[in-house]
Amino acid sequence: DTEVTQTPKHLVMGMTNKKSLKCEQHMGHRAMYWYKQKAKKPPELMFVYSYEKLSINESVPSRFSPECPNSSLLNLHLHALQPEDSALYLCASSQVDLGVTEAFFGQGTRLTVV
Amino acid sequence: AQTVTQSQPEMSVQEAETVTLSCTYDTSENNYYLFWYKQPPSRQMILVIRQEAYKQQNATENRFSVNFQKAAKSFSLKISDSQLGDTAMYFCAFRKSNFGNEKLTFGTGTRLTIIP
Repeated sequence: DTEVTQTPKHLVMGMTNKKSLKCEQHMGHRAMYWYKQKAKKPPELMFVYSYEKLSINESVPSRFSPECPNSSLLNLHLHALQPEDSALYLCASSQVDLGVTEAFFGQGTRLTVV
Repeated sequence: AQTVTQSQPEMSVQEAETVTLSCTYDTSENNYYLFWYKQPPSRQMILVIRQEAYKQQNATENRFSVNFQKAAKSFSLKISDSQLGDTAMYFCAFRKSNFGNEKLTFGTGTRLTIIP
């Protein structure tokens, strides 16, 4: 199993809503990532979890709240978002070992904030 | 901070031809890794090929190969015998360090279209 599964695939939410994005992998990877990708732009790192602990936060606004409940799951809780937060949100995972370990990406959640 | 530059926003090539995508990067690191990822309309980022900076030999994966010039900080991707399924956005990416939980820094991408 080399899949990273993200749900939902599409999400439309109002600026006062609370929603969550989910990501799951069963490859035994101990690093998991959230990236944000605007249209026609490269992905930009938001958060990294390593061994279920937050290791990198790229100065992301607090209206985005990540959670890693176990080694297979990664959530991104959304609250009071702005229309400019509309984007493709990509989850990825990788091993945390010496050597070249590529990141495996999910298909993303297309988020629209109205 | 690392930067990755892809100077070709769009390219197109006839099916079965060879195409080369360019990538340059800037870093003060000596140990790092370079990747080419492909993002088709399905949105999923798929690894095409990877290169360890300490290896002088250029990586190859079937129809895909790289020209890695460490001194010039250049990392181009050659696609031979191009196929319609190669149509996608291609991102060059850099990762420092030896551990897998470091961030990937992406270039701005090249949109490649294979023409039937």
